[in-house]
Amino acid sequence: AQKVTQAQTEISVVEKEDVTLDCVYETRDTTYYLFWYKQPPSGELVFLIRRNSFDEQNEISGRYSWNFQKSTSSFNFTITASQVVDSAVYFCALSEGRASGTYKYIFGTGTRLKVLA
Amino acid sequence: DGGITQSPKYLFRKEGQNVTLSCEQNLNHDAMYWYRQDPGQGLRLIYYSQIVNDFQKGDIAEGYSVSREKKESFPLTVTSAQKNPTAFYLCASSMSGTAHTEAFFGQGTRLTVV
Repeated sequence: AQKVTQAQTEISVVEKEDVTLDCVYETRDTTYYLFWYKQPPSGELVFLIRRNSFDEQNEISGRYSWNFQKSTSSFNFTITASQVVDSAVYFCALSEGRASGTYKYIFGTGTRLKVLA
Repeated sequence: DGGITQSPKYLFRKEGQNVTLSCEQNLNHDAMYWYRQDPGQGLRLIYYSQIVNDFQKGDIAEGYSVSREKKESFPLTVTSAQKNPTAFYLCASSMSGTAHTEAFFGQGTRLTVV
């Protein structure tokens, strides 16, 4: 069965520090998709990135970067030079490309990031 | 503006009452989802629907019911059979149920049993 594990429940860093949020997934499908979402205090989940299982290239977007490694089933998220506005709960999610066309998103338990000024 | 609208933002329910949470989207998405969020447990899938007039149970469907009579709307009813309904409920939608697209989320409804 598919599963997403975010072992870090809460992380606190001081502003300008780099921080990495870990995500480990399990799936038996060869075609799948991975996502990261940010949940600020307002509650709405904000989409950050999508990755498919055939593309292991790392991606950088400003201060955000993602490291996808199929060999370790990991999709880690790094924030460089963290800012107070980065404080939020971050979720990693998995979606499989089932032949039946029935898709759903499986979420990890989230990592609460606190960036202290 | 395109997006997903959940209402109400806060809802209080007396024990034994059924309540319905509204979710409307104008993104022309085929697939819609309901998730429940409890502290420390992440998002758990309640129900999902790939097309109108069809829906499937998620991991925690007991005590909940849904309908999908229109593409834009996917209301969730929390019945009196749900023993611990106090939680944050999130509705989401995605394009045509295809796995390569991200899900878009509403702002959530916080339900409290009083």
